[in-house]
Amino acid sequence: DVKVTQSSRYLVKRTGEKVFLECVQDMDHENMFWYRQDPGLGLRLIYFSYDVKMKEKGDIPEGYSVSREKKERFSLILESASTNQTSMYLCASSLGPTGQYFGPGTRLTVT
Amino acid sequence: DAKTTQPPSMDCAEGRAANLPCNHSTISGNEYVYWYRQIHSQGPQYIIHGLKNNETNEMASLIITEDRKSSTLILPHATLRDTAVYYCIVRSIGSNYQLIWGAGTKLIIKP
Repeated sequence: DVKVTQSSRYLVKRTGEKVFLECVQDMDHENMFWYRQDPGLGLRLIYFSYDVKMKEKGDIPEGYSVSREKKERFSLILESASTNQTSMYLCASSLGPTGQYFGPGTRLTVT
Repeated sequence: DAKTTQPPSMDCAEGRAANLPCNHSTISGNEYVYWYRQIHSQGPQYIIHGLKNNETNEMASLIITEDRKSSTLILPHATLRDTAVYYCIVRSIGSNYQLIWGAGTKLIIKP
């Protein structure tokens, strides 16, 4: 079975802090994704990567950056956390056109 | 904008088949239909996908109409653990793998 893990289930950070969210997949998938999910807004794509060191902006990249140095690991970085970045963050991976497999999510609260 | 239409909510009795409809009247020839579900507080789970033919796996069956303008996800023997929000998504294989998430159908399985 595909396993996608995220570094934390719950995280509380202060405004202005730099935040790292890590995602690791164990199935050699080429594609990895970061979403955020907010009530009433559904899932929105922040960034995705289709290969090591490659990245593409999604719908809402502002305030975020990503890093993919190894195939299995995709990191989301909040350079200076703000309260409007309080959300559920979901990582996913896929192999070509197959379905995306999601991690359990990280609920981030920025105070 | 989401390219699919789903009812906001449905009920189903435990042990019965749950049939979840999805309308995708503007689907184009190279677009697949994907189904995901999200159980409360968890990451979305991939269920099944298809292009033209009906598909079945260990979780569900996907019935796509001949004109491909609509589809039905069938959970053959619903259990209480199938209570979740179910998302129907259309996506082109040649795209950048972005999924456009709608509001989905909240399926409640009743004992």
